[in-house]
Amino acid sequence: EDKVVQSPLSLVVHEGDTVTLNCSYEVTNFRSLLWYKQEKKAPTFLFMLTSSGIEKKSGRLSSILDKKELFSILNITATQTGDSAIYLCAVPVANAGGTSYGKLTFGQGTILTVHP
Amino acid sequence: NAGVMQNPRHLVRRRGQEARLRCSPMKGHSHVYWYRQLPEEGLKFMVYLQKENIIDESGMPKERFSAEFPKEGPSILRIQQVVRGDSAAYFCASSPFLLRARGDIQYFGAGTRLSVL
Repeated sequence: EDKVVQSPLSLVVHEGDTVTLNCSYEVTNFRSLLWYKQEKKAPTFLFMLTSSGIEKKSGRLSSILDKKELFSILNITATQTGDSAIYLCAVPVANAGGTSYGKLTFGQGTILTVHP
Repeated sequence: NAGVMQNPRHLVRRRGQEARLRCSPMKGHSHVYWYRQLPEEGLKFMVYLQKENIIDESGMPKERFSAEFPKEGPSILRIQQVVRGDSAAYFCASSPFLLRARGDIQYFGAGTRLSVL
């Protein structure tokens, strides 16, 4: 069965700290891995990773994929209170016929709380 | 370019009533997906649709639930004879048609919170 597991489930830090969020996966016919940030409303897209070892970066956020060990990490440096959210990792899974990858399998999410 | 629009944002139904949730995808997106988020749980895939076609409904309960994405108008997720266990946040996402992994990014709406009394 396809599986995505995130750790830790929750994390409390102070502003300025650096955090590392983990996502491991077991899926058939891996194609990509996605990171989302969910605050009160819609999950918003952060990164898509397809190749091992290539870091994706956006401001204080960065992410990397290891296809051999089947995991990804999301780093946030110099955290701010606005980074408080649920961070979701997701992997597209092929349907039974292998003809589409529309189903995203999500991890449980990591709840990040950043205190001033 | 407006994002994915869902309405209503909140919906209250009594047990046995019908719930209709609407989703308008982003402009230019032809693929729509529905997910359910139960309290204290992660997002779970329900169904994937293209215009007038259901591509993958492997996550949708066999009874009481149906989805459509007509040629004109929004996608509709319909829940008949709702029960308390249907109370959840229902999210819609959309994507354009792009080859291979480039088409994997899904853009989410703000969700509809369904409460069944």
